[in-house]
Amino acid sequence: AQTVTQSQPEMSVQEAETVTLSCTYDTSESDYYLFWYKQPPSRQMILVIRQEAYKQQNATENRFSVNFQKAAKSFSLKISDSQLGDAAMYFCAYRTGTASKLTFGTGTRLQVTL
Amino acid sequence: DTGVSQDPRHKITKRGQNVTFRCDPISEHNRLYWYRQTLGQGPEFLTYFQNEAQLEKSRLLSDRFSAERPKGSFSTLEIQRTEQGDSAMYLCASSLQYRGRETQYFGPGTRLLVL
Repeated sequence: AQTVTQSQPEMSVQEAETVTLSCTYDTSESDYYLFWYKQPPSRQMILVIRQEAYKQQNATENRFSVNFQKAAKSFSLKISDSQLGDAAMYFCAYRTGTASKLTFGTGTRLQVTL
Repeated sequence: DTGVSQDPRHKITKRGQNVTFRCDPISEHNRLYWYRQTLGQGPEFLTYFQNEAQLEKSRLLSDRFSAERPKGSFSTLEIQRTEQGDSAMYLCASSLQYRGRETQYFGPGTRLLVL
């Protein structure tokens, strides 16, 4: 069974600084997708960034980028120039190329301080 | 495009009662998913539909749970004889599956409290 592990329950970053959230996964599949979702307090979950396993290039979306290490089964999220609005729960998620359901980690709560 | 909507946003019920939640996906999305999220955990998959067909159900979905998507548009999730352990956030997501590419967009969720 596929598992997703987020080992950092909470992280804190100062505004304008950079923070990296960790995620590891376990799979025997070669075709899969990885995602980072953001869930602000009492608001809906939104997609931050996605990565296809067959792509060697790390995905980037403005201030958000990933470090995808396929051999190590690691998928970390880097947030640059952190803003107060980045404060949220961040979930790492995985799905295989053939399956549809997402498997989520337990999340990392990110605090952004002034 | 108004996004995925869910109704109600909050529901308080007594143990043993039946509850029904509704999800309206993004229009023209062919897939619709239900997840359950308990406090401090990530969402867990319950079931999904492609158009009106229910293609997969999790073992988490006991026989007290039933989901429908009668015309391939909105979906309902019913829980019969609710138990306190059913208290959770129920999330709906929709996606357009095309050539293997698919991104799920989530609704705001329905928070259920069973007393």
